[in-house]
Amino acid sequence: KNQVEQSPQSLIILEGKNCTLQCNYTVSPFSNLRWYKQDTGRGPVSLTIMTFSENTKSNGRYTATLDADTKQSSLHITASQLSDSASYICVVSAKNQFYFGTGTSLTVIP
Amino acid sequence: NAGVTQTPKFRVLKTGQSMTLLCAQDMNHEYMYWYRQDPGMGLRLIHYSVGEGTTAKGEVPDGYNVSRLKKQNFLLGLESAAPSQTSVYFCASSLVLNTEAFFGQGTRLTVV
Repeated sequence: KNQVEQSPQSLIILEGKNCTLQCNYTVSPFSNLRWYKQDTGRGPVSLTIMTFSENTKSNGRYTATLDADTKQSSLHITASQLSDSASYICVVSAKNQFYFGTGTSLTVIP
Repeated sequence: NAGVTQTPKFRVLKTGQSMTLLCAQDMNHEYMYWYRQDPGMGLRLIHYSVGEGTTAKGEVPDGYNVSRLKKQNFLLGLESAAPSQTSVYFCASSLVLNTEAFFGQGTRLTVV
């Protein structure tokens, strides 16, 4: 069964600290993997996209990694800011469908 | 460009009432999608469209109908609303399959 699992479910960190979010998937055949950021009351917005051949991709303070062999991805946030408080959703694309994780809710506190 | 625009943003319905949610995109995207998002669950696909005049069922289509008469618009209809349809509904569009999906701001629907 095609599934996307994210951990942790929620996370609270102090402003300025780093954190890493995890995504494990069983989706096949794999096309690409995206990390989305969803602010409260808003629609998801794409942060990064990873294809099969890519191991690491950065977008500012966000760095995504992909291990296609173990079917794992991570999103590392460096020097967190209050505006990073949001839900982060891992989305894996297969041949003709998107598969969504349930998201990690991140709260950054001053 | 406005991107993907959903109307309305909020709505309260009584059980049995009907309504239509409108999604409009100005990016000339072929693919459009309707999702619902419930607490503790990932976004679930209700219906989608691969082009003007075409629609297809997603993961949770029961109780919903859709139409794509124009390329830029994708309508989601609830014929007889039920409390189980209380949710946040998101519309999205993408140029083609498996490219970046752009989401609207969502419609919060409550059925009482």
